[in-house]
Amino acid sequence: AQSVTQLDSQVPVFEEAPVELRCNYSSSVSVYLFWYVQYPNQGLQLLLKYLSGSTLVKGINGFEAEFNKSQTSFHLRKPSVHISDTAEYFCAVRNTGGFKTIFGAGTRLFVKA
Amino acid sequence: DSGVTQTPKHLITATGQRVTLRCSPRSGDLSVYWYQQSLDQGLQFLIQYYNGEERAKGNILERFSAQQFPDLHSELNLSSLELGDSALYFCASSVGGWGESTDTQYFGPGTRLTVL
Repeated sequence: AQSVTQLDSQVPVFEEAPVELRCNYSSSVSVYLFWYVQYPNQGLQLLLKYLSGSTLVKGINGFEAEFNKSQTSFHLRKPSVHISDTAEYFCAVRNTGGFKTIFGAGTRLFVKA
Repeated sequence: DSGVTQTPKHLITATGQRVTLRCSPRSGDLSVYWYQQSLDQGLQFLIQYYNGEERAKGNILERFSAQQFPDLHSELNLSSLELGDSALYFCASSVGGWGESTDTQYFGPGTRLTVL
């Protein structure tokens, strides 16, 4: 069975500071990894995904994530955050060849002025 | 705007009742997924349909059922509602669904269900 752990439930950070949202996963088979963002009162939007190839994945809004197979991690980073990045961020995993996507509990990023 | 529409946006009902949530996928998408998001359980995958057929099942209760119609819209039926069923219900769609697990899922805005 797969599982996803987002290590921080809330991350407060000042505007223009860098941020890292941590995600660890557990799976006995190969996986695809995803980060989604959910703005208040909206559905989830895909930020980026890792399917294969380069372990550093660049997404929308200046976010990037690095897949680390040995540490089973897929941490999300942004070098300089904006107030508009305030949202909930979900890490998700899906077996290659499967369709069931398992989501982490979410990390609420709060960007302060 | 993801292109996925869900109706209604809000639904308030009483325990023991039955409701139907509706989802229209993006144009061209054949797969529809249903998720439940609650404070205590987080975001949980319920069920997936591909071109009218059930493809994958998650933590869906027996009181819940879904179907996908020939025009590809989907409905999630929730019956004998309990207080704990109060949650946001999301629908997502993707192009494929058969051997194409790399597909991106596009989420609708959700239906907020409140059971009183």
